Amino acid sequence: QITLKESGPTLVKPTQTLTLTCTFSGFSLSTSGVSVGWIRQPPGNALEWLALIYWDDDKRYSPSLKSRLTITKDTSKNQVVLTMTNMDPMDTATYYCAHRRFGFGGSYFDYWGQGTLVTVSS
Amino acid sequence: QSVLTQPPSVSEAPRQRVTISCSGSSSNIENNAVNWYQQLPKKAPKLLIYYDDLLPSGVSDRFSGSKSGTSASLAISGLQSEDEADYYCAAWDDRLNGPVFGGGTKLTVL
Repeated sequence: QITLKESGPTLVKPTQTLTLTCTFSGFSLSTSGVSVGWIRQPPGNALEWLALIYWDDDKRYSPSLKSRLTITKDTSKNQVVLTMTNMDPMDTATYYCAHRRFGFGGSYFDYWGQGTLVTVSS
Repeated sequence: QSVLTQPPSVSEAPRQRVTISCSGSSSNIENNAVNWYQQLPKKAPKLLIYYDDLLPSGVSDRFSGSKSGTSASLAISGLQSEDEADYYCAAWDDRLNGPVFGGGTKLTVL
């Protein structure tokens, strides 16, 4: 059974750096074809993809946020960490991590964490 | 402004059928699989449809997906009050080199 859970601060100040951790179980990020992604959702708004990290440590970032994002993995701890620099009130959102499955027809997020609400305010 | 375009809202009566459209381009929907997610109020998204028209285990066959060219659709038949949720389409985008989502459609069961 695959589960994921996000953790990190619920409140950050503008200009600070946000660090979120996704702790997962039921799969290994060293298995070929596996990846984990981060997606956020501002209150009352749509989902927005942020970053992806693959089993082979390949990484992908949303072009609009690439300069502010870093995604890393710790396979031994079953964790993926996302850092976002220079936080702004517009970054207030629920942040989700999700398991992305790759198959013959493409890839998709099949398991999601419960999400963690991050508020950016002074 | 989302890369994929969905109607903000749809509504229909119980036991009826409703469709939700998702419009994209050749860099996403036309050449890559479309996935659909259901997000119940205050909950995380849940995979509803993958590879355009496949249902994950446990998802009701009242849900179905289709795709033609640069557009995709989600159909829900036999509407129930429990189907009230936000629905998002998604696809890989070759130009952006990552997954993109639609703006979401709020379904109201009258």
